[in-house]
Amino acid sequence: EDQVTQSPEALRLQEGESSSLNCSYTVSGLRGLFWYRQDPGKGPEFLFTLYSAGEEKEKERLKATLTKKESFLHITAPKPEDSATYLCAVSSSGGSYIPTFGRGTSLIVHP
Amino acid sequence: KAGVTQTPRYLIKTRGQQVTLSCSPISGHRSVSWYQQTPGQGLQFLFEYFSETQRNKGNFPGRFSGRQFSNSRSEMNVSTLELGDSALYLCASSRTMDNTEAFFGQGTRLTVV
Repeated sequence: EDQVTQSPEALRLQEGESSSLNCSYTVSGLRGLFWYRQDPGKGPEFLFTLYSAGEEKEKERLKATLTKKESFLHITAPKPEDSATYLCAVSSSGGSYIPTFGRGTSLIVHP
Repeated sequence: KAGVTQTPRYLIKTRGQQVTLSCSPISGHRSVSWYQQTPGQGLQFLFEYFSETQRNKGNFPGRFSGRQFSNSRSEMNVSTLELGDSALYLCASSRTMDNTEAFFGQGTRLTVV
C-alpha cells in the first residue's frame, strides 16, 4: 500500500526566511509525485509533477526536488501570500492511477 | 481556459436526505475523480471515471455513487446522509488516463445537520 508522510505538520516563517517541506513516500514503483497548494476553503492548485530521482522543477519562489525516498519543496524568501497548505501525493506504477495524498504541511508566513 | 467547475459551492442538508453534486471538467479532459476532504482524514479518494466508465472506486459505502456523461461532466450522489458526511467534496479532472496532471475544482462544502 502506498504511503505518504509530510513533515512538519505546520510551519511558521518570517517573510524572507527560506525553508523546506518534506514528503516521504513508500510505493511499489513511482509513476509520479505531485505537489499541490491549497488555500482555505478552496480546491488544491496543481504545482508540479516529478517522475524520477534527481528531477527538479521550479516555479517562482518554489523548487521541488525528488529522491528515491522523499521529495522536498524548497521555499526561497517566502512572502505572506505563500501561506497555504502544501499537499504531496504519489501515484504508483504497480496499481491504479489514483494518487495517494499526504496530510499536508500548513505554512504561515508572517510579514 | 476555464477551470474545473463544481456546483453548488455550499449545501446544507438534513440527516437522511440525499444530495447530488455536479462537476464540469476542463474542456478536453476525459478523466474525472472525486475526493472527500475532512480535517480528520485529509483527502480521501471516492471514485474515478474515464469516458463514462468507472475505473476505480475508493473505500466508501454504497451510499456514495457517481456517474459520468458523454460530455465528461460528472455527478456524485450521496443517499441517506449522515452527520459524518459533512466535508469538502472535490472534483479533479485530467486530460490523460494516468492523471499525471490533475486539476481540482473549488469544491462543494456539504454540511449535514
